[in-house]
Amino acid sequence: AQKVTQAQTEISVVEKEDVTLDCVYETRDTTYYLFWYKQPPSGELVFLIRRNSFDEQNEISGRYSWNFQKSTSSFNFTITASQVVDSAVYFCALFTLIQGAQKLVFGQGTRLTINP
Amino acid sequence: DTGVSQDPRHKITKRGQNVTFRCDPISEHNRLYWYRQTLGQGPEFLTYFQNEAQLEKSRLLSDRFSAERPKGSFSTLEIQRTEQGDSAMYLCASSLADQTAWALHFGNGTRLTVT
Repeated sequence: AQKVTQAQTEISVVEKEDVTLDCVYETRDTTYYLFWYKQPPSGELVFLIRRNSFDEQNEISGRYSWNFQKSTSSFNFTITASQVVDSAVYFCALFTLIQGAQKLVFGQGTRLTINP
Repeated sequence: DTGVSQDPRHKITKRGQNVTFRCDPISEHNRLYWYRQTLGQGPEFLTYFQNEAQLEKSRLLSDRFSAERPKGSFSTLEIQRTEQGDSAMYLCASSLADQTAWALHFGNGTRLTVT
């Protein structure tokens, strides 16, 4: 079965601090995709990044960076120099290509609060 | 591209009533998904369609729930004889069934409150 675990339920930091959100996944599939979504207070799920299982290169986009380690089944997300606008719930998700079960499986989410 | 549209945004109903939600996906997307999200939890998969075919249904989708996508475009999710436990945000998402995509685009959701 597919499973995503986000062990950190809530994180609170002061603005400008760096923060890392952890994500661990389980799947027997060899081909899969990992995602991060942001859910601000307004409620919509905003797509942040997609990685496939064959690409372990880390990625940086502005203040955001992602560390994918297949050996530990982890896909962690770091925000550098956090800002108040980064406050949201962040979800890690796994998409597998099993025939008839091609869907996103989400973790429980991490509520991130950035304090001024 | 106007994004995924869901209607209504909010629905308050009394226990035992039937409700129906509508989702309009991004026009060229052939996959459409329904998810449910309760407070403090991640979205949980309910069902998905490829074109008009319903390819998978979660065990969460009891016989009181039915989803349709009659022409492979918009979809409806109906809940019959609502219960208080059905109170949640119902999210719709669409995507291309394409290995270069596999990114679900979500709508703003329909928040259901059953009193």
